[in-house]
Amino acid sequence: EVQLVESGGGLVQPGGSLRLSCAASGFTFSSYGMSWVRQAPGKGLEWVSSITTSGGDTYYVDSVKGRFTISRDNSKNTLYLQMNSLRAEDTAVYYCAKKYRGSYLFDYWGQGTLVSVSS
Amino acid sequence: QSVLTQPPSVSGAPGQRVTISCTGSSSNIGASYDVHWYQHLPGTAPKLLIYGNTNRPSGVPDRFSGSKSGTSASLAISGLQAEDEADYYCQSYDSSLSGYVFGTGTKVTVL
Repeated sequence: EVQLVESGGGLVQPGGSLRLSCAASGFTFSSYGMSWVRQAPGKGLEWVSSITTSGGDTYYVDSVKGRFTISRDNSKNTLYLQMNSLRAEDTAVYYCAKKYRGSYLFDYWGQGTLVSVSS
Repeated sequence: QSVLTQPPSVSGAPGQRVTISCTGSSSNIGASYDVHWYQHLPGTAPKLLIYGNTNRPSGVPDRFSGSKSGTSASLAISGLQAEDEADYYCQSYDSSLSGYVFGTGTKVTVL
């Protein structure tokens, strides 16, 4: 059974940093691209970032470029999102999502971790 | 900022059929990128409902069906049930943005 468990969320002040983790199990983690998707309070889903199987290629939505860094440790079956220079508009539930091979879609998602940016 | 447009809400009585539209543009749905649909209950993991425009993953009831034409796509739910109350999102890929795009989301209410 595929499981994705996010952690690392919390309350942080504007300008602060936070690192999210996503522990994966139930599939060969190193064989699949992974992504982060977020949902701000009362808003819809927004793709944030993606990473290829080896970690060699990364992609970001414009609003987080230069501030967020996605990475992965295939030996630990874990996905990360380093978030720096956080802003109030980054407040959201952040979901880890597994990319379906060969397609632009997410076939499994985690339950999410809440990030609140406030003074 | 959502690139794909959906109606904010749709509703229907149990047993009825409802449809949710998803309107995109020439850089996403119209560029032949597939459309996928997710069901999301607040506080839970989103669930893949339809992939590749019309396909249902194993375990998804055949009450759910998808279609795509031009720059738009639709999700239909027939035989509406109370358990179908949720938020539904369409999703595709946008070549201009070089990223995944989601719809604005539609809340389905069973009357």
